Amino acid sequence: ELKVEQNPLFLSMQEGKNYTIYCNYSTTSDRLYWYRQDPGKSLESLFVLLSNGAVKQEGRLMASLDTKARLSTLHITAAVHDLSATYFCAGGEGSEKLVFGKGTKLTVNP
Amino acid sequence: DSGVTQTPKHLITATGQRVTLRCSPRSGDLSVYWYQQSLDQGLQFLIQYYNGEERAKGNILERFSAQQFPDLHSELNLSSLELGDSALYFCASSTSGARYGYTFGSGTRLTVV
Repeated sequence: ELKVEQNPLFLSMQEGKNYTIYCNYSTTSDRLYWYRQDPGKSLESLFVLLSNGAVKQEGRLMASLDTKARLSTLHITAAVHDLSATYFCAGGEGSEKLVFGKGTKLTVNP
Repeated sequence: DSGVTQTPKHLITATGQRVTLRCSPRSGDLSVYWYQQSLDQGLQFLIQYYNGEERAKGNILERFSAQQFPDLHSELNLSSLELGDSALYFCASSTSGARYGYTFGSGTRLTVV
């Protein structure tokens, strides 16, 4: 059974700073997903990582996947307030199911 | 608007009651997934349907059931409700497998009092 762990679970950072959220998973998974959720809202897909070494970037966010280490990272560059949200990683289990981590609540302070 | 429609957005009901949550997937998507999000358990996979048939089952209680209709909309039925069933219930859809992830609806917030 796939288990997904994120850390940190809470992250408070200043605008302009860089930080990384880590996502470890317990068994072999060939795909990893990152989602963003604003309070009380739906989950928005950010990145889909489908192979070892995959790196994707969108604005101030960059995600990578190392399947050998069973690790994905979400790097935040020069954070801005608008990035405040909860970020979830999820691993693919079987062909259909996504298993989510508990989420990292990010607060960016001015 | 993600294209996945969930109704109602909010539901308040008493313990012991039964409710039905409805989901219309994005146009062209054949798979529907139900997830429960609570503070203590996080996002838990409940069940998946593909083109009307149950495809995968997760941590779904026996008091809960779901189905997908010929027009591909899905309903999640929750019965004998308990206070602990209070949560956000999300529906998501995908074209066929989940390889490229899901598109989530806006959720139904269920409060059991």
